[in-house]
Amino acid sequence: DTGVSQNPRHKITKRGQNVTFRCDPISEHNRLYWYRQTLGQGPEFLTYFQNEAQLEKSRLLSDRFSAERPKGSFSTLEIQRTEQGDSAMYLCASSQPGTGKTQYFGPGTRLLVL
Amino acid sequence: AQTVTQSQPEMSVQEAETVTLSCTYDTSESDYYLFWYKQPPSRQMILVIRQEAYKQQNATENRFSVNFQKAAKSFSLKISDSQLGDAAMYFCAYQRVVGNLIFGKGTKLSVKP
Repeated sequence: DTGVSQNPRHKITKRGQNVTFRCDPISEHNRLYWYRQTLGQGPEFLTYFQNEAQLEKSRLLSDRFSAERPKGSFSTLEIQRTEQGDSAMYLCASSQPGTGKTQYFGPGTRLLVL
Repeated sequence: AQTVTQSQPEMSVQEAETVTLSCTYDTSESDYYLFWYKQPPSRQMILVIRQEAYKQQNATENRFSVNFQKAAKSFSLKISDSQLGDAAMYFCAYQRVVGNLIFGKGTKLSVKP
């Protein structure tokens, strides 16, 4: 299996701009998770999908954030009207179906909002 | 709500020695999963070891082992024969039967040659 891939790896944007990140999970992993990690902290959950259905969203996911997973394959995370506080590493993880399955992480997209 | 606490922001170990990283968690659930992940500098998160709460036997993976104390809600990681490549941030994480991971703040491990 190839691992979880994320693009772009780095993104610098100006405040107020929109950005979109992409995550390609491990094939046959029907669950896909998005997390946000700020410097010196552990990752915090944003949202997760089972196939194409978005099953859970954290209260961290404000109205400016939207995630999709069309056709249950890759996923995109869009941030509209970015703010400096959005600067963070955005991590994607995927897992097989079933209970307690290990989540495998991608390399992340590092966002810097100027 | 579940929480995970790692009380050691930084730890240091001499190469070839043994080090133990601490983790405590809070939950009212009886069935769950616990993980240790490693995050080297500027590199991606890698699974080190996992433990199912219904299993009394402590998990081991080569030089890595855990001490799982369910009643005390404690889940420590022991690294034996430490190597330079073990230097990284280590995150303890909790997972309900189905759902997202809840992470601690991490412990930065340094390995001295």
